[in-house]
Amino acid sequence: GENVEQHPSTLSVQEGDSAVIKCTYSDSASNYFPWYKQELGKGPQLIIDIRSNVGEKKDQRIAVTLNKTAKHFSLHITETQPEDSAVYFCAAGGGADGLTFGKGTHLIIQP
Amino acid sequence: GAVVSQHPSWVICKSGTSVKIECRSLDFQATTMFWYRQFPKQSLMLMATSNEGSKATYEQGVEKDKFLINHASLTLSTLTVTSAHPEDSSFYICSARLLAETQYFGPGTRLLVL
Repeated sequence: GENVEQHPSTLSVQEGDSAVIKCTYSDSASNYFPWYKQELGKGPQLIIDIRSNVGEKKDQRIAVTLNKTAKHFSLHITETQPEDSAVYFCAAGGGADGLTFGKGTHLIIQP
Repeated sequence: GAVVSQHPSWVICKSGTSVKIECRSLDFQATTMFWYRQFPKQSLMLMATSNEGSKATYEQGVEKDKFLINHASLTLSTLTVTSAHPEDSSFYICSARLLAETQYFGPGTRLLVL
């Protein structure tokens, strides 16, 4: 089955700086890579996703890159704000199956 | 759009009782819903895939007789934790698939078994 590794587990950045979270996956059949933001006590919220036919996707301050050959994808958040503080999960999957999640990154934005 | 609700948001029950959790897609029809479990400070673990009108597919290690899933309509799936025990205490989250692979998650249900 799929295995997703996510790093770092905790990331602390100054407000206004950029944050990068990286994930690798093992199953070359995976073709869908979403990123979720989870605040304490709440369900995950989809913030951006990318499919394997695209190398990069951007939505305002958030961008995701995908390298299919190396089987890794990354989340980039620019101009970080206090409300960006949360746990971020990457996931991989595709087709009829559920998603396999990474272990999560606790992002802390320092004022 | 793409709103998923869960009910209840939290529940406390005695050991040995059964608990039912509902997952609804409010503004779209979902042929497939998924049930995940999340322990404190851990990631989401897929428990089962629920397809409307058919039996659920359970992940390895998940007891189908303990975690009963019913997907009776395109907007509702239910998870029943039967004979709950303290080790079943967790955060249960459902998701509903809208387009292709895109999954939208509910707010979660926190279960505490005493």
